Amino acid sequence: QVQLQESGPGLVKPSETLSLICTVSGGSVSSDSYYWSWIRQPPGKGLEWIGYISYRGSTNYNPSLKSRVTISVDTSKNQFSQRLRSVTAADTAVYYCVRWYCSRNSCYLDYWGQGTLVTVSS
Amino acid sequence: QSALTQPASVSGSPGQSITISCSGTSSDVGAYNYVSWFQQHPGKAPKLMIYDVSNRPSGVSNRFSGSKSGNTASLTISGLQAEDEADYYCSSYTRSSTLVFGGGTKLSVL
Repeated sequence: QVQLQESGPGLVKPSETLSLICTVSGGSVSSDSYYWSWIRQPPGKGLEWIGYISYRGSTNYNPSLKSRVTISVDTSKNQFSQRLRSVTAADTAVYYCVRWYCSRNSCYLDYWGQGTLVTVSS
Repeated sequence: QSALTQPASVSGSPGQSITISCSGTSSDVGAYNYVSWFQQHPGKAPKLMIYDVSNRPSGVSNRFSGSKSGNTASLTISGLQAEDEADYYCSSYTRSSTLVFGGGTKLSVL
């Protein structure tokens, strides 16, 4: 059973960088057809896709966040991470790390972390 | 990219059927059969209920079904049960190789 677990600070100051790590167990990040993603959900609001990375390092980001976000992967630790720069209160959200399976014939998010609340406040 | 359009809320009585729509464009919903539906209970992570428009993951009740016509996808829940009360989100792969979500629909079981 694949499990994902987010970790990182729960409080970040405005203008600073939000950094989160996702540790994957029960499966390998070094697998074809899987894209390791970050999704967030502001309190009381809907889901927003942030971006993904493949184990080979190819990335794609939400255009609205592309200028501020970087996703990276560490295959030796079976982890992937995200950094969101210049945060504001609007970046306060529950952040989920998610496995995205995508092949020629199928594409879906199957395993989610439990989510971690990150609050941006001074 | 713009969010997919879902009704803010739907409601139904136990035993009834309801349908939630998810409207997109020819660049997302209409472009591929990669529409998914998620159920989210308060304080919990979303759960995959339907993938690739109409497929159910193992363990998901056959009361949940999905379909698509043109740029609009739909989730139907038949035989409504109290436990179905939750928020539901659709998502779609896009021509830009990104993912876009709907704004979410709150289902109330009266």
